[in-house]
Amino acid sequence: LAKTTQPISMDSYEGQEVNITCSHNNIATNDYITWYQQFPSQGPRFIIQGYKTKVTNEVASLFIPADRKSSTLSLPRVSLSDTAVYYCLVGDRGGGFKTIFGAGTRLFVKA
Amino acid sequence: EAQVTQNPRYLITVTGKKLTVTCSQNMNHEYMSWYRQDPGLGLRQIYYSMNVEVTDKGDVPEGYKVSRKEKRNFPLILESPSPNQTSLYFCASNSYSGRADNEQFFGPGTRLTVL
Repeated sequence: LAKTTQPISMDSYEGQEVNITCSHNNIATNDYITWYQQFPSQGPRFIIQGYKTKVTNEVASLFIPADRKSSTLSLPRVSLSDTAVYYCLVGDRGGGFKTIFGAGTRLFVKA
Repeated sequence: EAQVTQNPRYLITVTGKKLTVTCSQNMNHEYMSWYRQDPGLGLRQIYYSMNVEVTDKGDVPEGYKVSRKEKRNFPLILESPSPNQTSLYFCASNSYSGRADNEQFFGPGTRLTVL
């Protein structure tokens, strides 16, 4: 399984765009990149998943360069309710098989 | 409503007293997993199951047992709990459809305290 490295924490202000980068140098050919969001005392919630280039949904965008050794989760115009821990996972599924979550990035959005 | 349920949500017990945390999903998912979450350590996988009667160890299986006799249920068993198993536990399930948008669905969590 590819190990991931993320910043431990980030601060932002309401209305700003937030970019969280994840490093995964040993990503395998069949691996997808998946991001989850977790609020305190709740289970993680799927945000977005991608394989290469750019993926966008109603919540976020995921940018993956050609070498796929890193990825960036982009949250447009964050609000206070986006304060949470964000996890980057790499694997051949969105998890469920042998899965490594890592410590995640704690995002704190200020008014 | 599609969901993963866990019971109990909170449990305080004593060292050595066997306990079972139940997990059930109503989405007909093949995969199910158990995780524990401790401050500063993120989520660590305990066991996972790829289908009925097929289970395997995650990163931190010591002190835990699981079984998968039915597709919808995946109980976590602590035969002889110890204080270092005090943690927040999450059950999750997902279906491997071969598509890119394959996500895990998590239960609400079980907060276990072992005295």
